[in-house]
Amino acid sequence: AQSVSQHNHHVILSEAASLELGCNYSYGGTVNLFWYVQYPGQHLQLLLKYFSGDPLVKGIKGFEAEFIKSKFSFNLRKPSVQWSDTAEYFCAVNRYGNTGKLIFGQGTTLQVKP
Amino acid sequence: KAGVTQTPRYLIKTRGQQVTLSCSPISGHRSVSWYQQTPGQGLQFLFEYFSETQRNKGNFPGRFSGRQFSNSRSEMNVSTLELGDSALYLCASSFQGKDTGELFFGEGSRLTVL
Repeated sequence: AQSVSQHNHHVILSEAASLELGCNYSYGGTVNLFWYVQYPGQHLQLLLKYFSGDPLVKGIKGFEAEFIKSKFSFNLRKPSVQWSDTAEYFCAVNRYGNTGKLIFGQGTTLQVKP
Repeated sequence: KAGVTQTPRYLIKTRGQQVTLSCSPISGHRSVSWYQQTPGQGLQFLFEYFSETQRNKGNFPGRFSGRQFSNSRSEMNVSTLELGDSALYLCASSFQGKDTGELFFGEGSRLTVL
């Protein structure tokens, strides 16, 4: 069965620090990969997605992620975080052609100190 | 363009009762998926509907059911409520539900079972 593992459950950073959140998935077929963010009191929003092509994808608000197929990983990065990045971040995967069924990781709570 | 709308936003029920939650997808979106979010289990896929047909189903008991109408609006029903059903129920819609990848989430219906 598909599964997604996020390495960090709770991360605390100071503003301007660099961020990397780990995500590994378990599935042997073709997959689509996503990072979603949930700001306090708001709905889940898409940060970025990978379907195919360049394994380095850029998303909104300066976030990027790198797909490493050999490692089944899709890590999220941001060079310099801001207080407004405080949120919960979810890595997710679905099987190619099966858009509606997303398998989510457990989420990482990011707290950025001003 | 209006986003995904879920009603009601909050509700309180007692054990043994049943509940119906409603979701109006983004105009033009034909796929609607439902997810349960809890602190312990995270985000778990319930089911997906596309063109009034259930296309995918997660690992939830038969007490959880859903349907989709011809205008793509969807409802989910939970019968014989248990305390463990307390959760945030999220609805997500996508354009075709296939190969387009991105799910758009509503703000959720928070169910408390007493």
